[in-house]
Amino acid sequence: EVQLVESGGGLVQPGGSLRLTCAASGFTFSDYGMSWLRQAPGKGLEWVSTTFASSGDTYYADSVKGRFTIYRDNSKNTLYLQMNSPRAEDTAVYYCAKDGVGGAGYMDVRGKGTSVTVSS
Amino acid sequence: EIVMTQSPATLSVSPGERATLSCRASQSVSTIIAWYQQKPGQAPRLLIYGASTRATGIPARFSGSGSGTEFTLTISSLQSEDFAVYYCQQYIKWPRTFGQGTKLEIK
Repeated sequence: EVQLVESGGGLVQPGGSLRLTCAASGFTFSDYGMSWLRQAPGKGLEWVSTTFASSGDTYYADSVKGRFTIYRDNSKNTLYLQMNSPRAEDTAVYYCAKDGVGGAGYMDVRGKGTSVTVSS
Repeated sequence: EIVMTQSPATLSVSPGERATLSCRASQSVSTIIAWYQQKPGQAPRLLIYGASTRATGIPARFSGSGSGTEFTLTISSLQSEDFAVYYCQQYIKWPRTFGQGTKLEIK
């Protein structure tokens, strides 16, 4: 069974840094693209970033480009999101997701998410 | 970026009836869209990908159709557990984008 467990959220000051972690199990992690998406309080879903193991390619939403970094450790079956210089508008629940077969961009979210609050 | 627009914002339907939710893309996305269900306090759940393929474990009462710019999610006979918010998402171009959601509520 696919399992994705997010952690690392919390309260962070604007301009600070935070690293989110997603521990994956139940599938061959290195075979799949992995993504982060988020949901601000009372709002809809927003894709944040994706990384592909095979090509090493990474993609970011314009709203986080240059501030957030997605990376993965295939030996540990773990996905990360390094959040630098967060802003109040980054406050959200962050979910990690397993991408579709063959690099398809539909996202299978299995975890409960981790909550990030950016505030001074 | 491709804008996904869902309608209606809220849909009121009685249990046992059919629900039809719409999603429109600002440009053609072929059949490269997914649908998700989200209940309060829970993570989104993948329902449909490729416009019409049900994800693993999704009941047959959920069906997706459409291509190009117009898409539909149909729930044939609503069960109590189906009342939730539904999102469409395109993944043919970066950035991946979601619709704003349709809240399906009990009539």
